[in-house]
Amino acid sequence: SAVISQKPSRDICQRGTSLTIQCQVDSQVTMMFWYRQQPGQSLTLIATANQGSEATYESGFVIDKFPISRPNLTFSTLTVSNMSPEDSSIYLCSVGPGQGLPFYEQYFGPGTRLTVT
Amino acid sequence: GQSLEQPSEVTAVEGAIVQINCTYQTSGFYGLSWYQQHDGGAPTFLSYNGLDGLEETGRFSSFLSRSDSYGYLLLQELQMKDSASYFCAVRAPMNTGFQKLVFGTGTRLLVSP
Repeated sequence: SAVISQKPSRDICQRGTSLTIQCQVDSQVTMMFWYRQQPGQSLTLIATANQGSEATYESGFVIDKFPISRPNLTFSTLTVSNMSPEDSSIYLCSVGPGQGLPFYEQYFGPGTRLTVT
Repeated sequence: GQSLEQPSEVTAVEGAIVQINCTYQTSGFYGLSWYQQHDGGAPTFLSYNGLDGLEETGRFSSFLSRSDSYGYLLLQELQMKDSASYFCAVRAPMNTGFQKLVFGTGTRLLVSP
């Protein structure tokens, strides 16, 4: 399996500011995904990040609002820009496939709980 | 577009068997996965069906019928620790040639003594 860490684990931010969330995985992986999950709700894919290429955003999500970096095969960041209370959510990093991992398994980080006031 | 529907909540008692259904409508399909998520925790992988039929992993089994766009997760010998949310997820194609997971609406399972 892959072990994923996220920083910060939680944060309370003021509207209009930005927060960068870091995702670190303990092995090299091809793809890193960023999801958003409201408490009690399903997971919504924001974007997919591959090393050396532009992130691919899902419908309803744009780069200006959620810029992503993927500088190497074990690390990615997601920035939530110009935040509003509607951005309050749990943000999850996910990875897969990776070296020695089944192609169909994705692993998730513990999440970053963001509250925007 | 893509949509995956699940019952919102299922209740059962310890030792019982429960089935969680998932119907999907997606543009492109490379298999159906199931994930478990405890409150405050990260989703964890349970099973994957790439082809029609039943896959068994211990107390959990998962079934897929691609012609019916339908799958289910079967949990046997329920334990209190199985109380969690369960998500089906379709592996769908991306324009980049890679695949992504699209998650269902989720089912909250409550196991009582």
